[in-house]
Amino acid sequence: ETGVTQSPTHLIKTRGQQVTLRCSSQSGHNTVSWYQQALGQGPQFIFQYYREEENGRGNFPPRFSGLQFPNYSSELNVNALELDDSALYLCASTDRGVHGYTFGSGTRLTVV
Amino acid sequence: QKEVEQDPGPLSVPEGAIVSLNCTYSNSAFQYFMWYRQYSRKGPELLMYTYSSGNKEDGRFTAQVDKSSKYISLFIRDSQPSDSATYLCAMSDVNDYKLSFGAGTTVTVRA
Repeated sequence: ETGVTQSPTHLIKTRGQQVTLRCSSQSGHNTVSWYQQALGQGPQFIFQYYREEENGRGNFPPRFSGLQFPNYSSELNVNALELDDSALYLCASTDRGVHGYTFGSGTRLTVV
Repeated sequence: QKEVEQDPGPLSVPEGAIVSLNCTYSNSAFQYFMWYRQYSRKGPELLMYTYSSGNKEDGRFTAQVDKSSKYISLFIRDSQPSDSATYLCAMSDVNDYKLSFGAGTTVTVRA
C-alpha cells in the first residue's frame, strides 16, 4: 500500500472529551509527524516520532500526546478538548534522511 | 514576527499565465526548502524539494532559493485551471525534521 492514510476523515466532539486520530505511514517510512492546520493557516508542527520514540515537539500542551507502533503506524491523542482544537489534523511520514514529507488527507476535527 | 512569511493572496490569473509565488524567512539555519500544493479538503502534496541555494526545474514548475536574501520562489509556467489550489512553502534545518510552513497562497487560474 502506498501513501499516508488517516482515519477518521471527519469527527465531531464535545468540549472536554478525548479523541484519538490514527495514521498509517507510507510503506518504508520510519518517521512520522503530526501537524495541526487551522482554517486559512499553514500547518503547525505538533510532534514527531522516529522508531517509536518522540524526538521533537512543537508548542502544544501535554494534553496532545502520541504513539508510534512497530509497524510505523501512529496515533494522536488529544485530551480535554477545547473549541480552539477544531482544525484539520495532518499526519506526514518520511524516510529518515529525507526532509520532504508525504502527507495524508487529514482528519477534520470539530469541537462543539 | 513569524518564522516564515507568505502572502496569502488570493491570486487570480488567466489560463496560460505565469504564476509567481514567494516566501521570506528569518531562520538562517534553514537548508531544506519545499513547496506543497493543497487542494480544498485534501492534505498537502509535495511539489518541489530543494537543498540550499539555487534553482530547480520540474516540468512547468521552477523553484528558486536565495539564502543570502532568505527568499524562496515558485514559478508555474503555462498555468492551467487544475493548478488552482493553495500553495504552501515549507522549510527545515539540517538537524531538525520539523517543517515550518508559510500561511499559504490561494491561487485561482481562470479558464
